[in-house]
Amino acid sequence: EVQLVESGGGLVQPGGSLRLSCAASGFSISGYWMHWVRQAPGKGLVWVSRITGDARTTHYVDSVKGRFTISRDNAKNTLYLQVNSLRAEDTAVYYCVRESSYAFDIWGQGTMVTVSS
Amino acid sequence: QSALTQPASVSGSPGQSITISCTGTSSDIGSYRLVSWYQQHPGKAPKLMIYEVSKRPSGVSNRFSGSESGNTASLTISGLQAEDEADYYCCSFARSVPYVFGTGTKVTVL
Repeated sequence: EVQLVESGGGLVQPGGSLRLSCAASGFSISGYWMHWVRQAPGKGLVWVSRITGDARTTHYVDSVKGRFTISRDNAKNTLYLQVNSLRAEDTAVYYCVRESSYAFDIWGQGTMVTVSS
Repeated sequence: QSALTQPASVSGSPGQSITISCTGTSSDIGSYRLVSWYQQHPGKAPKLMIYEVSKRPSGVSNRFSGSESGNTASLTISGLQAEDEADYYCCSFARSVPYVFGTGTKVTVL
């Protein structure tokens, strides 16, 4: 079964850091561009970051540039998102997503990040 | 890059057809035929329903169809069923950022 499973979320104080992980099974992430998408409580979906299959190119939404870093370990079939200098507005469910044909065809169940003192 | 504009809510009776619009700009929808649509039930992850404007992934009901004209994309649900009640989001490839989502539409089955 093709699956993405996120982990690493939790409660963190403003200014803190977390490392989100996304373990893939049923397919090799090396053949896909991978993304993180987030959803604040009661709000809509927001694209956050993308990494190419060879990890050479990354993109970020303006609001997280310089604070978030996307990476991947193809050998471990795992995607990561290092989130630093967290703010209250970063509170959201973070989804790991696979891209295929310019669409997001496989989604994880999400991991919740709560930024609060 | 601003979010694509969708109506906040759309409703219909069982068996009816409804259409959800998604309005962007010449920098996203208007430049690329790369619009996708997602269904999200409460507490669940989104599910891909339409990609490349009008293509359906395997396993998605043919009651769901997509189209595009100018800077606006549309999702039509025909033969509305209770299970279609959910939030729906459009998404487009964009010039300035790889992807931009719509504001989301809550579909209610009366």
